[in-house]
Amino acid sequence: SQQGEEDPQALSIQEGENATMNCSYKTSINNLQWYRQNSGRGLVHLILIRSNEREKHSGRLRVTLDTSKKSSSLLITASRAADTASYFCATESGGSNYKLTFGKGTLLTVNP
Amino acid sequence: ETGVTQSPTHLIKTRGQQVTLRCSSQSGHNTVSWYQQALGQGPQFIFQYYREEENGRGNFPPRFSGLQFPNYSSELNVNALELDDSALYLCASSSAWTSGRNEQFFGPGTRLTVL
Repeated sequence: SQQGEEDPQALSIQEGENATMNCSYKTSINNLQWYRQNSGRGLVHLILIRSNEREKHSGRLRVTLDTSKKSSSLLITASRAADTASYFCATESGGSNYKLTFGKGTLLTVNP
Repeated sequence: ETGVTQSPTHLIKTRGQQVTLRCSSQSGHNTVSWYQQALGQGPQFIFQYYREEENGRGNFPPRFSGLQFPNYSSELNVNALELDDSALYLCASSSAWTSGRNEQFFGPGTRLTVL
């Protein structure tokens, strides 16, 4: 079953613009992670934000987390054509294992 | 490059056959998780192995089974293949010692097609 749901499903922007993707989830979490996937290949970890954190930055990425609304957003600033990919949020909800529950992803297209 | 490798890259099987997929985890990682990603969907957790034992399982039938070896590499076996098993199978390794910070490192995946 999917935990996170990304919004929008697809996003098309011009190079240099900012891209914002949102993620909602259903249950309490330990952390939320964002991954990128290029053309059906392996997933690349972008950023992890813990449940007690509200905002995190990494280079051109900014992630926010609102646990009261069970939602997160990923902002990519000054986008580049190379940012074209699918972006997934994944939640880790604790327990004795460390499984990730993924959403369906947002397909971002950055046009040169 | 994450240091996680998977083999084979692509595989074509027919319905009813059996398949074994392999994964070598990143150096220093003792936990391996397997995910199934159908076309247009997010990855779904199949199961996880920690120190050669299954440590959690998703909503997959028993014909999906796995192994982890002493060097922490892993296999995913699927028996009696069905058409719906066609998917990208992803392996991810992590270190169970990094409490509260489970960053998982994914391999490139194996694309399985069942005809």
